[in-house]
Amino acid sequence: QVQLVQSGAEVKKTGSSVKVSCKASGDTFTNHAFSWVRQAPGQGLEWMGGIIPIFDTTDYAQNFQDRVSITTDESTNTIYMELSSLTSEDTAVYYCARARGDLAGEIGFWGQGTLVTVSS
Amino acid sequence: DIQMTQSPSTLSASVGDRVTIPCRASQSIGPWLAWYQQKPGKAPKLLIYKASNLESGVPSRFSGSGYGTEFTLTISSLQPDDFATYYCQHYNSNLFTFGPGTKVDIK
Repeated sequence: QVQLVQSGAEVKKTGSSVKVSCKASGDTFTNHAFSWVRQAPGQGLEWMGGIIPIFDTTDYAQNFQDRVSITTDESTNTIYMELSSLTSEDTAVYYCARARGDLAGEIGFWGQGTLVTVSS
Repeated sequence: DIQMTQSPSTLSASVGDRVTIPCRASQSIGPWLAWYQQKPGKAPKLLIYKASNLESGVPSRFSGSGYGTEFTLTISSLQPDDFATYYCQHYNSNLFTFGPGTKVDIK
């Protein structure tokens, strides 16, 4: 079955960067779109961006365009999300997610979430 | 940019109630809408995709309807396990916009 296993919790200083990983298993890696979605404490879900490995294309939400980078390592079926210039407002749970079907579309699979805490 | 709105932000209901949760898009999005359920401390779970298609394994008491700008998630008979927050989401290929969510709590 499809599994997305994310890296562990991070504590970062204001102004630094964080890189979260997500290892996918259970299906052909390149045929599916992956996304990163975050959720600040007590808040809703916010899509940050995504990647489709087979097309090597990335899309980013306008709110994160200048600060986020999503990459993959096909040799290890791992997706990465790096967020720079961190502020306290970036404290959130970050979820890796995958499309339900082939290529893109609705999200059918989620990682367990990674808590990133940013403090001064 | 397309904006998704959900109102009310909180809905109080009792076990056995029929519950309808609305979602509105700022412009027509065709059928490209999904619904997710999220419980505290857990990742969201896909319930409905393409406006009205029930995800495999999701109880049949959940249904979705709508097209264009107006969508509804219906729970035909609310069960104790259904108290959660529900998010609508527009998707276009690998681009996504979430609504702010509606929390269903106990009346």
